[in-house]
Amino acid sequence: GNSVTQMEGPVTLSEEAFLTINCTYTATGYPSLFWYVQYPGEGLQLLLKATKADDKGSNKGFEATYRKETTSFHLEKGSVQVSDSAVYFCALSGSWQGGKLIFGQGTELSVKP
Amino acid sequence: DAMVIQNPRYQVTQFGKPVTLSCSQTLNHNVMYWYQQKSSQAPKLLFHYYDKDFNNEADTPDNFQSRRPNTSFCFLDIRSPGLGDAAMYLCATSRPLVKSYNEQFFGPGTRLTVL
Repeated sequence: GNSVTQMEGPVTLSEEAFLTINCTYTATGYPSLFWYVQYPGEGLQLLLKATKADDKGSNKGFEATYRKETTSFHLEKGSVQVSDSAVYFCALSGSWQGGKLIFGQGTELSVKP
Repeated sequence: DAMVIQNPRYQVTQFGKPVTLSCSQTLNHNVMYWYQQKSSQAPKLLFHYYDKDFNNEADTPDNFQSRRPNTSFCFLDIRSPGLGDAAMYLCATSRPLVKSYNEQFFGPGTRLTVL
């Protein structure tokens, strides 16, 4: 079946450190891939997306590249800030499943000053 | 700004007392979703409406019902809340493209406490 696997958290970094959160997926066909961010006590916000192989999504300094050959969509940021502390969810969606989102388990990021 | 609004943000109910959560949207999206989320776990889809067509997930308990009186509003009814129903409830919307529902837009959520 279709699934998403993220690296386990929590991830704790110092401010200005480099961030990588790994995400791999299993899917039939060609899914769209997403990263959502959830700040404490809030709903999910779309951080970035990619809809086909080799697409790079980017937003607010975060980037992720859709790698079909490795079925991955790793999230990266060159220099994290305290305000980036949140839970990050990798997700996929495809027309074969009625557009439903399949989420990874989420990775909690804590950035210390 | 176009958005997804959920009211109330915090809801307290008693064990077994029916409760209704509401969601409204100004995006004019024709698909609306309800998710349950516990303790920073991934959101769990309960059901969704594609226009007026209701689509229930196979493992959603009968205790959870939904209504969509018009495009803008969608309600989640919990008929007899149990302690295990305490969670964050998220509403989301999307607008299908030709072959895909594409991205979903989430509201801020309602935190439900069951006493």
